Amino acid sequence: DIVMTQSPDSLVLSLGERATINCKSSQSVLYSSNNKNYLAWYQQKPGQPPKLLIYWASTRESGVPDRFSGSGSGTDFTLTISSLQAEDVAVYYCQQYYSIPITFGQGTRLEIK
Amino acid sequence: QVQLQESGPGLVKPSETLSLTCAVSGYSISSAYYWGWIRQPPGKGLEWIGSIHHSGSTYYNPSLKSRVTISVDMSKNQFSLKLTSVSASDTAVYYCTRLAADGTLSWFDPWGQGTLVTVSS
Repeated sequence: DIVMTQSPDSLVLSLGERATINCKSSQSVLYSSNNKNYLAWYQQKPGQPPKLLIYWASTRESGVPDRFSGSGSGTDFTLTISSLQAEDVAVYYCQQYYSIPITFGQGTRLEIK
Repeated sequence: QVQLQESGPGLVKPSETLSLTCAVSGYSISSAYYWGWIRQPPGKGLEWIGSIHHSGSTYYNPSLKSRVTISVDMSKNQFSLKLTSVSASDTAVYYCTRLAADGTLSWFDPWGQGTLVTVSS
């Protein structure tokens, strides 16, 4: 199984600050045949299902604000929120879909100071 | 717009079988895509359970494979989850979802609202 490890586990920032969440996979999720990273990011607010933010490591889902961006390749990935808004308080998860079983990171809780 | 809705008992006794159904609206599951189940124990992270194609092709998490069956009912446009021999560690919110890209390896979108299943006597 590919183990996904996120850091930090929690993050407390002020409104308008930049948030950076890291995700590391235990093996590369980059398919050499198509040069795509099989990595997605989700946002989950209390009592709600996860919401897709990013897929292919850096492709923003339609309707997701452009303050959210994804980067990285191979085994190291980052979700960045450029300017934190109150509605961004949530738990964020990365997910690899390179191989079965599909696995998720443990989550990063983002709070406002 | 594709919508998914889970249904089933909210309380299951230990050693019994958990059974859930996911009703899909806005899209015919016989058209394409894999459809899946994911669970989340209270206060914890997400675990992929398995996925199914309308052809009947299934993929399961090896950690649950011996206890899981996912099936599809195209006449009702729904798919189902059965998990046998449940214990307290199977207590979780169960989500049904669609694998958004073509094939077995994909991100998940959209998701149902989830249903809490508690295993307790």
